[in-house]
Formats: sequence, C-alpha cells, structure tokens
Amino acid sequence: RKEVEQDPGPFNVPEGATVAFNCTYSNSASQSFFWYRQDCRKEPKLLMSVYSSGNEDGRFTAQLNRASQYISLLIRDSKLSDSATYLCVVGYNFNKFYFGSGTKLNVKP
Amino acid sequence: NAGVTQTPKFQVLKTGQSMTLQCAQDMNHEYMSWYRQDPGMGLRLIHYSVGAGITDQGEVPNGYNVSRSTTEDFPLRLLSAAPSQTSVYFCASTPGRGSADTQYFGPGTRLTVL
Repeated sequence: RKEVEQDPGPFNVPEGATVAFNCTYSNSASQSFFWYRQDCRKEPKLLMSVYSSGNEDGRFTAQLNRASQYISLLIRDSKLSDSATYLCVVGYNFNKFYFGSGTKLNVKP
Repeated sequence: NAGVTQTPKFQVLKTGQSMTLQCAQDMNHEYMSWYRQDPGMGLRLIHYSVGAGITDQGEVPNGYNVSRSTTEDFPLRLLSAAPSQTSVYFCASTPGRGSADTQYFGPGTRLTVL
C-alpha cells in the first residue's frame, strides 16, 4: 500500500473555476503535511504547509483531517498559471518525506 | 545563496558504468535527501542524511550509495548502472529545525542508462 495516494487527474477546468484535490495517507504517526507544485520537468516547490486548523494563502486553502487521514487543497478563481502538477507530501521523524504521485491540473482559457 | 545545486544536469550512461551525482547546498542545512522521480510517479526517497557522517536508507536504496563528509555536500553514487535507474534525480535539503520544515530542491539530474 502506498504511503500517500492522490488522484492523478488530469483535472481540466476553465479559468475562474474552483477546483479541489484530495490526498490520503496511511501512517497515523505522520507529523507534517505539505502541498508542493511541480511544473513540467522542473523541481518541486513548496506551495503551502498544511495544519490541522486549516490554512489559507490567497486563492489557496489547505485542510488536514487527521481522523480520516486526508489532506485537501482548494484553488479558487483558477488562473492559467495554476496549470501544474500538485504533489501531496507527508513527513515523519523530521526528515523522511513521502510524496504522492501528483494530481495534474490544466486550466484552460 | 545559490541554494541547492546539482551536477550534471543531464547524463547518459551505459549499463554497468558507475558515476556520482553531485549535490551541494550553501544554506547550512542539516538534513539532505536524494529522490528519484519516474514518469507519472511521485518522488521516491533513495537515501537521506541527518547530518555530516550520518546517512540512512529510504524507500528505494538498492544500487545507490551515499556519504556525507561535510554539511554542504551529499553525493549519490551509482555503483553499476542499470536501465531501471533511468530517471530524474532530485536532491533536497531541509534546515532540520523541526517537523514542519520546508524542503528545498535542486534542479534535478536527468539520467539515461542504455
């Protein structure tokens, strides 16, 4: 069983749409949670950390549900520049990180 | 700061050849990691280090060796390259202050083994 599972997509949405991604993780001892963004053939870059209380950064909102072991990312008012692959990441013991396979988002004009 | 640097950017090897992928960071980060990413898959942890002189295995360590003689450098060695090791390799560093640390990634090395 994979440590972190994501729907690979692709999610094809028009500009201005709201889109949500979910991710589930298998280890209840997980300590840290993140969403990373990866553009084609580039390195992943941190989009946002995810906290139990939920957190928002502009058009992006992340939620963590520890009881159900899932993490979500909501993108409002999608822009063309949001087109990328979104990676869910779960961390253990301060240094070991497990990545989901990514969810591909295509925002179309 | 240059951040995390990786060399080479691209490499083609023949089966059985050995080589070292270089990774360096100038942020004085304690933790460093190596990942591989195959098409349609997420990153998988190969080896990691929590400080100079300390390394440990990740999910997919077979066929790779690492060492960490300094805080700055964390090279990854392929002992005898195989076609299954064709992949994109990313090095990352983390400050090491706590569980919510951000990882900083290098630009990647694209390796093809023929």
